[in-house]
Amino acid sequence: NAGVTQTPKFQVLKTGQSMTLQCAQDMNHEYMSWYRQDPGMGLRLIHYSVGAGITDQGEVPNGYNVSRSTTEDFPLRLLSAAPSQTSVYFCASSPPPRRNMNTEAFFGQGTRLTVV
Amino acid sequence: GENVEQHPSTLSVQEGDSAVIKCTYSDSASNYFPWYKQELGKGPQLIIDIRSNVGEKKDQRIAVTLNKTAKHFSLHITETQPEDSAVYFCAASGNDMRFGAGTRLTVKP
Repeated sequence: NAGVTQTPKFQVLKTGQSMTLQCAQDMNHEYMSWYRQDPGMGLRLIHYSVGAGITDQGEVPNGYNVSRSTTEDFPLRLLSAAPSQTSVYFCASSPPPRRNMNTEAFFGQGTRLTVV
Repeated sequence: GENVEQHPSTLSVQEGDSAVIKCTYSDSASNYFPWYKQELGKGPQLIIDIRSNVGEKKDQRIAVTLNKTAKHFSLHITETQPEDSAVYFCAASGNDMRFGAGTRLTVKP
């Protein structure tokens, strides 16, 4: 298994450009999520999905869109990039809860995005 | 939503000493509390976790304790080694998973 695969690893955008960060997992996990990591602020949840066709907002969703058409893929879209979106983005996936308790998140290697 | 506070933000110890990182959470519905280690340029990796029906868990040199009444949990690393140097994150998981701000641990040889 490849686990969680994110592409690209690095990206530079100009303000106002759009792009999609790709995330794919081959573990048949139902739960997928996107985080951004900024210095001193840890990992902040952007959007998450509990299964195909279902998405929900996290704590910092503004400026980002997601969709979940398949179990495997969970792309993150920036419609009009802003310098405040310069960050490292991590995608994660988790198996379903066991005995009504949540489970480990498996992370991709991250995408370093710079918006100039 | 869930709010996770983590302390300290930086921690420096001598090799062989113990390191303790503490976290608090706000949502009583959270039932799963993982700890992640992140090395430079990599994604976070799980090192230990604890569920809400357990008070303590140990795996070799690392241990985690959970106090559900007080809503806090801690990571203990004993006999620290230079390769333990990294950023450590706690998290609390209920409807979603929220992370603390991280602790940069430096183990000096």
